[in-house]
Amino acid sequence: GAVVSQHPSWVICKSGTSVKIECRSLDFQATTMFWYRQFPKQSLMLMATSNEGSKATYEQGVEKDKFLINHASLTLSTLTVTSAHPEDSSFYICSGSGGTAYEQYFGPGTRLTVT
Amino acid sequence: EDQVTQSPEALRLQEGESSSLNCSYTVSGLRGLFWYRQDPGKGPEFLFTLYSAGEEKEKERLKATLTKKESFLHITAPKPEDSATYLCAVLNDYKLSFGAGTTVTVRA
Repeated sequence: GAVVSQHPSWVICKSGTSVKIECRSLDFQATTMFWYRQFPKQSLMLMATSNEGSKATYEQGVEKDKFLINHASLTLSTLTVTSAHPEDSSFYICSGSGGTAYEQYFGPGTRLTVT
Repeated sequence: EDQVTQSPEALRLQEGESSSLNCSYTVSGLRGLFWYRQDPGKGPEFLFTLYSAGEEKEKERLKATLTKKESFLHITAPKPEDSATYLCAVLNDYKLSFGAGTTVTVRA
């Protein structure tokens, strides 16, 4: 099956700093990548959708200047949390697909803790 | 706005004790209903996709069914390794909307 990796698996950073999370599709070309956030005991919430080579489309209420998404290649997308604050602490999960939302292959997630 | 509600929030089962999880949804233009399994600290693992009312799919001890307003995930004779959070999601035109999940614990 299709495999998606994320790096790092967990990260702790200080308030005010920026953190970059990588999402890679290892054995397929991910035309579209999705970024989700999951708080404890809550559902996954879609943050943004990105197509390779295009600007990301952000969901309502998600600050695009705070959560910078780059999808420069068919196998790599990055999420940068800028000027992180404790309320940004969460589990961030990416998924990749060949172009539609139907078949999404999820990464293992990245736990971000902002102190 | 699409809504997905899963019940119960948590389910504790004895090994071999069959049960069902519910996912009720309201969505404009359902294009698919998905079931995923999520282990602690991991991403969702795909289980099933259902597209139309009346459809059923099975995989080992799991069986998913779909009606016009809800879906059920039946766990038959569960084993401890079936312990996980089971997520339901609906697909509209472009995105998946997830429920909060049902955490299943199966005791030996």
